[in-house]
Amino acid sequence: KAGVTQTPRYLIKTRGQQVTLSCSPISGHRSVSWYQQTPGQGLQFLFEYFSETQRNKGNFPGRFSGRQFSNSRSEMNVSTLELGDSALYLCASSTGTVGNQPQHFGDGTRLSIL
Amino acid sequence: AQKVTQAQTEISVVEKEDVTLDCVYETRDTTYYLFWYKQPPSGELVFLIRRNSFDEQNEISGRYSWNFQKSTSSFNFTITASQVVDSAVYFCALSGGVPSGNTPLVFGKGTRLSVIA
Repeated sequence: KAGVTQTPRYLIKTRGQQVTLSCSPISGHRSVSWYQQTPGQGLQFLFEYFSETQRNKGNFPGRFSGRQFSNSRSEMNVSTLELGDSALYLCASSTGTVGNQPQHFGDGTRLSIL
Repeated sequence: AQKVTQAQTEISVVEKEDVTLDCVYETRDTTYYLFWYKQPPSGELVFLIRRNSFDEQNEISGRYSWNFQKSTSSFNFTITASQVVDSAVYFCALSGGVPSGNTPLVFGKGTRLSVIA
């Protein structure tokens, strides 16, 4: 069974640009969550989608947004990039709600802002 | 608010030694879920175990074992006879259940384990 797939693996952008990251969950998984990982803040929750609806949102500015499609694939968008947005962005999927089922993570997208 | 504390930032052991990674959590929920994940240098978080708060049985899986103690709000992870391949960052995480609902994972800061041959 294929795991969670995130594209691209690496991305370099400059301040002020915007970026879209993609996540394909494990087949049959309807919940997709996004996390940001930085050396200073660790792993922080961004948002969770379930059946195309945002169920939870972390404490991030409105520049961070996401969506989920009918096939459960999800995209995350960051607009007006700042240097502090440099991070590893991890996507995770699960069959049901977080907690009830374990989340399975992808390899992540490493975003570098110049 | 929910919180996970992994007091050990880095641990180094010699191969074949046993090592215990500590995890202390805080939650007001009566039902909650605890997890351990492993993050090797490649970056992917690998799921190791999920534990419900109402199941206090300890668990063993090969060289891995977990000790859940509700009385001390701890969920410690022991690797027996460590191997070089165990070198990674290990994260403990918590998700709420009742009454806060199924909340997103809250992660500890992680413990970097280095196993030296």
